[in-house]
Amino acid sequence: GQNIDQPTEMTATEGAIVQINCTYQTSGFNGLFWYQQHAGEAPTFLSYNVLDGLEEKSRFSSFLSRSKGYSYLLLKELQMKDSASYLCAVSDSNYQLIWGAGTKLIIKP
Amino acid sequence: DVKVTQSSRYLVKRTGEKVFLECVQDMDHENMFWYRQDPGLGLRLIYFSYDVKMKEKGDIPEGYSVSREKKERFSLILESASTNQTSMYLCAISAGGLDTGELFFGEGSRLTVL
Repeated sequence: GQNIDQPTEMTATEGAIVQINCTYQTSGFNGLFWYQQHAGEAPTFLSYNVLDGLEEKSRFSSFLSRSKGYSYLLLKELQMKDSASYLCAVSDSNYQLIWGAGTKLIIKP
Repeated sequence: DVKVTQSSRYLVKRTGEKVFLECVQDMDHENMFWYRQDPGLGLRLIYFSYDVKMKEKGDIPEGYSVSREKKERFSLILESASTNQTSMYLCAISAGGLDTGELFFGEGSRLTVL
């Protein structure tokens, strides 16, 4: 079967750095996506990785290792507004998205 | 900006009622999707559509149907609502090709079936 695993919840301190991991087992691979979802709101696109390595965007970076079936989202200089759920999704061989259950990130002052 | 509008943010229905959830996009995108989101589970695809009058089953189509008579509108229908269909329903469009996976979501419709 197809499976995406990510931690259920993480806590971090304002101004710090946090890494949210995602491991996957899917039928084929056509890219990995990270979305942010604030409570009660719709998910919004953060990043896309299809090749191995690090993609950096401002305070957010995303890393992919296809051989290990592994990705992480790195958030730097955390702000209170970063409190949200972070969803990992993989596009499989049919270009359908397989979603993880999401990681709830709690930021403390 | 891409805008995806869902007709109702909150609905309360009784078991056996017919429920319509509407989704309208303001861009000319072909690909539209209906997902449901439940606590502790990833988003699950119910149905999707690549074009007008075209529909494809997703992972959990049972108990649902869809309609796409116009390009901008994709409706999800629960013919006879049941309590296990209490959930958050999210409509999404794909702004690029299917290989991008970048989706734009509506605000969601939280349905409670009593």
